[in-house]
Amino acid sequence: AQSVTQLDSQVPVFEEAPVELRCNYSSSVSVYLFWYVQYPNQGLQLLLKYLSGSTLVKGINGFEAEFNKSQTSFHLRKPSVHISDTAEYFCAVSDAGNNRKLIWGLGTSLAVNP
Amino acid sequence: KAGVTQTPRYLIKTRGQQVTLSCSPISGHRSVSWYQQTPGQGLQFLFEYFSETQRNKGNFPGRFSGRQFSNSRSEMNVSTLELGDSALYLCASTLLQGEDGYTFGSGTRLTVV
Repeated sequence: AQSVTQLDSQVPVFEEAPVELRCNYSSSVSVYLFWYVQYPNQGLQLLLKYLSGSTLVKGINGFEAEFNKSQTSFHLRKPSVHISDTAEYFCAVSDAGNNRKLIWGLGTSLAVNP
Repeated sequence: KAGVTQTPRYLIKTRGQQVTLSCSPISGHRSVSWYQQTPGQGLQFLFEYFSETQRNKGNFPGRFSGRQFSNSRSEMNVSTLELGDSALYLCASTLLQGEDGYTFGSGTRLTVV
């Protein structure tokens, strides 16, 4: 069965510093990978996705992620964070075949401090 | 285009009551999924509907049910509410099978007292 592990439940960082949010998954089949962001009292918003092709994926708000098949990871990075990036970040994986049910990580709370 | 609309935004119910939540997907999206979000459990998948048929189901008791109408609007119902059902219920829609990602609504915050 597929599973997703977000290795850090909370990540504090200073403004303008780089950040990496880690995500590992387990699956025996080809997968699609996603990162979503949730701001307080809102739904989730798609940041970026990996379906196939280049392993480096660029998303909105200056975020990017790298798919590493051998390490079954899909870490999210941003070279310089802003206060407005403070939010909850979720990694999700789905089977690339017929059953596309999303499996979610528990989330990483990113706190950007001035 | 309009986003995913969930109504109501907030709801307070007492134990034993039932509740119906509504979700209007993005125009043209045929798949609607429902999630329960709580601080301790994260996002838990409830079910997914595609063209009025349940395509996937999570591990929730039968008190949780849903349906989808011909216009792709969806409702979920929770009967015999328990305190533990207090949560943010999120609806998400996608065009076909999620390759383009899901668009989420802002959720319905259900409090059971």
